[in-house]
Amino acid sequence: QQQVKQSPQSLIVQKGGISIINCAYENTAFDYFPWYQQFPGKGPALLIAIRPDVSEKKEGRFTISFNKSAKQFSLHIMDSQPGDSATYFCAARKGGSEKLVFGKGTKLTVNP
Amino acid sequence: ETGVTQSPTHLIKTRGQQVTLRCSSQSGHNTVSWYQQALGQGPQFIFQYYREEENGRGNFPPRFSGLQFPNYSSELNVNALELDDSALYLCASSLLAAPGAAKLFFGSGTQLSVL
Repeated sequence: QQQVKQSPQSLIVQKGGISIINCAYENTAFDYFPWYQQFPGKGPALLIAIRPDVSEKKEGRFTISFNKSAKQFSLHIMDSQPGDSATYFCAARKGGSEKLVFGKGTKLTVNP
Repeated sequence: ETGVTQSPTHLIKTRGQQVTLRCSSQSGHNTVSWYQQALGQGPQFIFQYYREEENGRGNFPPRFSGLQFPNYSSELNVNALELDDSALYLCASSLLAAPGAAKLFFGSGTQLSVL
């Protein structure tokens, strides 16, 4: 049973464009939703995270949009750069737990 | 860099063998989590250690075991290796100040191949 569903599996964007990655969850006990960026040969690195009491969080070119009623959240990368080419994972965590449940990942390619 | 170091970086074992993977936490962190990442998949939670005791476990069989030492470093042990154990094993450290509040910092992982 996949608790966090992520789409698309892969994404190709031109430099300067907007990259959008979507995630959906079922468990309403989740109360923390981070996004991780992973480059080949490296571990995931925390990019940005949100809690369900806000609908949007922005850090630089990265924005999380959160829709609690639809149980969906998304990552928007504005002005995408070739250096953003990586695999992105959404994740979720239940309150009181340290266990992160990850989506299957989105491989983003930003063409110059 | 996260300050979380894992060793070895690569390892090749044969089915039925045992393996020990090691992790040094980021300075000041008191919690270590281990994740298994199969090729093309997201990381899956194996277990977490806090103050040298297991503090949560995912859906992994008992042949996956761990230790946390007083200096907060950790080991992951896998007995009776199976082909499906081939994966990237990630260690993540965090500072458990309040339940569910910790940010995880991942190491670069150990790539285990079971032949």
